[in-house]
Amino acid sequence: QSALTQPPSVSGSPGQSVTISCTGTSSDIGSYNRVSWYQQPPGTAPKLMIYEVTSRPSGVPDRFSGSKSGNTAALTISGLQAEDEADYYCSSYTSSNTLVFGGGTKLTVL
Amino acid sequence: EVQLVESGGGLVQPGGSLRLSCTASGFTFSNYAMSWVRQAPGKGLEWVSVISGNGINTYYADSVKGRFTISRDNPKNTLYLQMSSLRAEDTAIYYCARKYGNDWFYFGYWGQGTPVTVSS
Repeated sequence: QSALTQPPSVSGSPGQSVTISCTGTSSDIGSYNRVSWYQQPPGTAPKLMIYEVTSRPSGVPDRFSGSKSGNTAALTISGLQAEDEADYYCSSYTSSNTLVFGGGTKLTVL
Repeated sequence: EVQLVESGGGLVQPGGSLRLSCTASGFTFSNYAMSWVRQAPGKGLEWVSVISGNGINTYYADSVKGRFTISRDNPKNTLYLQMSSLRAEDTAIYYCARKYGNDWFYFGYWGQGTPVTVSS
């Protein structure tokens, strides 16, 4: 199972919006609405930010939103804040009853 | 409060074995599927394995299938990962993670991780 494809890095200024893409295949993202996103600041464990493509766990700001079209999912962060600077990972359930992560995207807040 | 504490990591030679443990508290352990996720130095996350709450169903990533075994002891609230035939590419921080909601593939709770280094 190959990793999902994410851009290595994205950046934005405070207050702006950024979108991180996550491309898979018809065996994972394309077949299931079982995509999640994790935020990982340096030296810490990942934190679940989005599940089931668009749902947010309690406590996650509504500035974070998810979407999906075909084999590609996306995480959008609006009203960018300095505290959002971190690595972001997407993941998807697969047809083999396994899980695949993306390679990760480093978000820099300028 | 949900807590997951991994232990057992360390330095091991290629071809060697190691058993990781994850002690859980703050929830009814047997009700939740549990997973192991690893992260090589400077690299991304990689899902390793999952086990159902009753321990009957297990699944593995292709990269570890046949070498790693996931298990659990529900009365002891402990998750295990038995790793054998270790390779340099198995070097990583190993996290245990608990599912969020109804589906095992969303991880709402993570431990702090235990480092494994495979080197001669």
